[in-house]
Amino acid sequence: AQTVTQSQPEMSVQEAETVTLSCTYDTSENNYYLFWYKQPPSRQMILVIRQEAYKQQNATENRFSVNFQKAAKSFSLKISDSQLGDTAMYFCAFMMSPNDYKLSFGAGTTVTVRA
Amino acid sequence: NAGVTQTPKFRVLKTGQSMTLLCAQDMNHEYMYWYRQDPGMGLRLIHYSVGEGTTAKGEVPDGYNVSRLKKQNFLLGLESAAPSQTSVYFCASSARTGSNQPQHFGDGTRLSIL
Repeated sequence: AQTVTQSQPEMSVQEAETVTLSCTYDTSENNYYLFWYKQPPSRQMILVIRQEAYKQQNATENRFSVNFQKAAKSFSLKISDSQLGDTAMYFCAFMMSPNDYKLSFGAGTTVTVRA
Repeated sequence: NAGVTQTPKFRVLKTGQSMTLLCAQDMNHEYMYWYRQDPGMGLRLIHYSVGEGTTAKGEVPDGYNVSRLKKQNFLLGLESAAPSQTSVYFCASSARTGSNQPQHFGDGTRLSIL
């Protein structure tokens, strides 16, 4: 099984500021996919952003961007201009290849945006 | 836009009781999954299905059974509930593997075993 580690259990950020969540993973594979999911208090799991390992360019979705460092096996998420609605638990997830059906999740980071 | 619907949303069971959690998706997805979410551990895959009539074990399958008799439904069964199965259960579906087709999740079922 792949190991996904999120070392920050909780983070707090002032509204409009930037916060970065860390994620590291362990794999010997070369082709894989990485994801960040958001789980607000409503409990729904929402895909935030995804990254293919073979792409060197970091993925960006509006205020969300990643810093993908393949050699270091690091996949951090940056939330810019934080909004109150960003308050949620964020999960980093790993999928080994396009033909692997399984997602391996990290333990999650709870982000609280303060007004 | 129902997406993935889980039934029930909450349930309390006594040790040894049995129950079935229902997952229904209206997106014509081939693949369906059952996860459990426990504090400090993220989501872990219990069982999954790559098509009607097929199922496979995930990371933590013990104590659970599943069935996929219809493409749109994926059932998770607990034959003899144990306190260790107290958790939040999520169902998900996807059209195909790979990043182009992400998994869509239901809203979860909170299950407590006394």
